[in-house]
Amino acid sequence: GAGVSQSPSNKVTEKGKDVELRCDPISGHTALYWYRQRLGQGLEFLIYFQGNSAPDKSGLPSDRFSAERTGESVSTLTIQRTQQEDSAVYLCASSLIGYNEQFFGPGTRLTVL
Amino acid sequence: QQPVQSPQAVILREGEDAVINCSSSKALYSVHWYRQKHGEAPVFLMILLKGGEQKGHDKISASFNEKKQQSSLYLTASQLSYSGTYFCGTEYYGDYKLSFGAGTTVTVRA
Repeated sequence: GAGVSQSPSNKVTEKGKDVELRCDPISGHTALYWYRQRLGQGLEFLIYFQGNSAPDKSGLPSDRFSAERTGESVSTLTIQRTQQEDSAVYLCASSLIGYNEQFFGPGTRLTVL
Repeated sequence: QQPVQSPQAVILREGEDAVINCSSSKALYSVHWYRQKHGEAPVFLMILLKGGEQKGHDKISASFNEKKQQSSLYLTASQLSYSGTYFCGTEYYGDYKLSFGAGTTVTVRA
């Protein structure tokens, strides 16, 4: 079916506000990843979900960041009390299982004023 | 354990070749290569799972030297469409997440 989708495509928020980013993976993909990409930088791993296993949260930069995934479908990444350094493009990717090619969504560009 | 990519940037004329290297200090299970065009999401090119194995995608191929913990991406007879930033992503045994290099920006000019 369709590829990975993310919403919103752009989000502008004020420092201190909470934001929620959404990712719809490709149907049937059991693995889901969140990455952060700052302007002109590489991809920074945030969190990985695989089926019903406990997520790998080792890349979350602080306790202001959290993510959930409902079964093998939608995932939300929540950033509480946003800071200016949180400004970046947040990319979601899914794959059939771990170790397979990852399909990336278009990303959410977050700007914290 | 972010892999190290080199060079940071390369400028080519159409038809020229280039090599991008990706090195890890830790034993690798696999190496992924992705290309990202400006303002777009990264797109998968190939995965290399075994030492010395070479894979290809159009005129783009890659090798994986398990002894050196290094992968190289070869752009042969480059086309304008090859322009973009190339990222290698490394996976380690028992670890399903990718660690991406900082990227190599390739510019192909007519």
